[in-house]
Amino acid sequence: GAGVSQSPRYKVAKRGQDVALRCDPISGHVSLFWYQQALGQGPEFLTYFQNEAQLDKSGLPSDRFFAERPEGSVSTLKIQRTQQEDSAVYLCASSPGRQLEFFGPGTRLTVL
Amino acid sequence: DQQVKQNSPSLSVQEGRISILNCDYTNSMFDYFLWYKKYPAEGPTFLISISSIKDKNEDGRFTVFLNKSAKHLSLHIVPSQPGDSAVYFCAAETGNQFYFGTGTSLTVIP
Repeated sequence: GAGVSQSPRYKVAKRGQDVALRCDPISGHVSLFWYQQALGQGPEFLTYFQNEAQLDKSGLPSDRFFAERPEGSVSTLKIQRTQQEDSAVYLCASSPGRQLEFFGPGTRLTVL
Repeated sequence: DQQVKQNSPSLSVQEGRISILNCDYTNSMFDYFLWYKKYPAEGPTFLISISSIKDKNEDGRFTVFLNKSAKHLSLHIVPSQPGDSAVYFCAAETGNQFYFGTGTSLTVIP
């Protein structure tokens, strides 16, 4: 498909488990964003990549959160030692410029 | 601290009438504003945007108005269609960060 894809779509983790969420952006898109959306809230910024460079990670809520985009394409958001408050939908978006244009369907993470 | 606010969690409108969704913001440094539409189990879809140097931008049935002095923007949909039923988010940008409101759920009644 031509859109942004994310996997898995749903993830259930036990508290303390590590998880890895994958984002496949639209081919050729320079910008890649990760957002976290809690139930009933708007998306909140986590981090931003321009190609492989992570230009802004100020939104990552703790050092348990780590994101990478080593070849400037696919990105992985890793959460270590998951906590219940990490339960949310994690959205990835890509764009040819620096606007927030094309979102993926999100990964719904539930931490038990 | 919520920098972008959508104070109406829901709105119902008859098909064919105008839908007006409102958004307020507090940060005067925002220089770009966007509206997104979201269906359940999907990511947000970009609808329309406006730069802070403009006060109106129109795209088909969608028009966004920006009132900088009031720090207020609105999205007008006319005529409203049942397929417009979704959650609408406004967002504002400064730097590379986009700040979202909490969304307004629009229901267009056939």
